[in-house]
Amino acid sequence: DIVMTQSPDSLAVSLGERATINCKSSQSILYSSNNKNYLAWYQQKPGQPPKVVIYWASTRESGVPDRFSGSGSGTDFTLTISSLQAEDVAVYYCQQYYNTPQYSFGQGTKLEIK
Amino acid sequence: QVQLQESGPGLVKPSETLSLTCAVSGYSISSDYYWGWIRQPPGKGLEWIGSIYHSGSTYYNPSLKSRVTISVDTSKNQFFLKLASVTAADTAVYYCARGLPSLVGAMGYWGQGTLVTVSS
Repeated sequence: DIVMTQSPDSLAVSLGERATINCKSSQSILYSSNNKNYLAWYQQKPGQPPKVVIYWASTRESGVPDRFSGSGSGTDFTLTISSLQAEDVAVYYCQQYYNTPQYSFGQGTKLEIK
Repeated sequence: QVQLQESGPGLVKPSETLSLTCAVSGYSISSDYYWGWIRQPPGKGLEWIGSIYHSGSTYYNPSLKSRVTISVDTSKNQFFLKLASVTAADTAVYYCARGLPSLVGAMGYWGQGTLVTVSS
């Protein structure tokens, strides 16, 4: 099984400041044949279903603001929100979809306003 | 715009079978994409349960595989989840979702979710 570990568990950032969430996989999720990292990031606001914001580690989903970006490769990944807005308060999850059919999520990172 | 809506009993007794339906609108299941189920115990994280293609091809989480069946009815544009022999540990919000293009377990559009409680 691939274990996904996020850090930190919770994070408080001032409005307009940068927020950074990390995700580490227990083994590489880079598929060498297509040079793609099989990683997605989801945003879940209270009382709502998750919403995908990033997939293939760095591809922004349509309609997601460009202040959201994803980076990393192999086993270490980062979700960055360049200038935190109030509507970005949520729990963020990473997910690997490399290991079919054992897709696994990180434990989540709660992002709040400082 | 694709919309998904889960429905089914909100309370299931231990040892019985949990049955949920996902009704899809705004897109034909038989056109493309994988369609899946994910659950989230109250206050906890996400667990992928399984996915199905319109042809009937399925993928299941190995930890649940012995108890899970996912099926599809393209004529009704619906797909279904059955989870057998439930216990309190199966209490969760159950989401249905559509996969991202060409992907089985990474999900794009999600339903609002339905809470299923396992209790006698």
